Amino acid sequence: DIVMTQSPDSLAVSLGERATINCKSSQSVLYSSNNKNYLAWYQQKPGQPPKLLIYWASTRDSGVPDRFSGSGSGTDFTLTITSLQAEDVAVYYCQQYYSTPVTFGQGTKLEI
Amino acid sequence: QVQLVQSGSELNQPGASVKVSCKASGYTFSTYDMNWVRQAPGQGLEWMGWINTNTGNPTYAQGFTGRFVFFLDTSVSTAYLQINSLEAEDNAVYFCARGRQGYVYFDLWGRGTLVTVSS
Repeated sequence: DIVMTQSPDSLAVSLGERATINCKSSQSVLYSSNNKNYLAWYQQKPGQPPKLLIYWASTRDSGVPDRFSGSGSGTDFTLTITSLQAEDVAVYYCQQYYSTPVTFGQGTKLEI
Repeated sequence: QVQLVQSGSELNQPGASVKVSCKASGYTFSTYDMNWVRQAPGQGLEWMGWINTNTGNPTYAQGFTGRFVFFLDTSVSTAYLQINSLEAEDNAVYFCARGRQGYVYFDLWGRGTLVTVSS
């Protein structure tokens, strides 16, 4: 199974500042035949289900604000939230879908 | 409105069975696979497996074979998760999640069903 490791486990950022969350996979999730990274990011607020933010490592899902961006390739990925808003307080998860079982990172708790 | 509506919280005794439903609306049910994801209290997300909504063929992740059953009622666009012989370790929120076409990432989630196992 591919192990996903996020860092840090928790993060406190001031309103309007940048938040950066890292995700590392135990093996590459880049599929060479289509040059796509099989990596997604989710946001989970308390008492709610996860919400898809990013797929293919850097493609924002419909309706996701452009202050959320994803980058990286191979085994190292980053979710960046520029100009942090109060409503961004949540736990963020990365997930690989390169192979089954799909696996999630342990989550990063983002606080103000 | 595109949504997945899950059944309500369940309280069951050890050894009993529970069935969680996930009703899809606003899209063609058979076009997207349905996945199940477990979240134990205060913990992260764990993929349990998926069911092909076209064929009804389930696939279970390791650790979810034997007592866990995925099935469908396509006449009412509903996926089900049944857990047999409940154990204390089954205490969790169970989410259904739609797989984006052809891929195993999840673009639509149910609100989750809390299953509590207690005598």
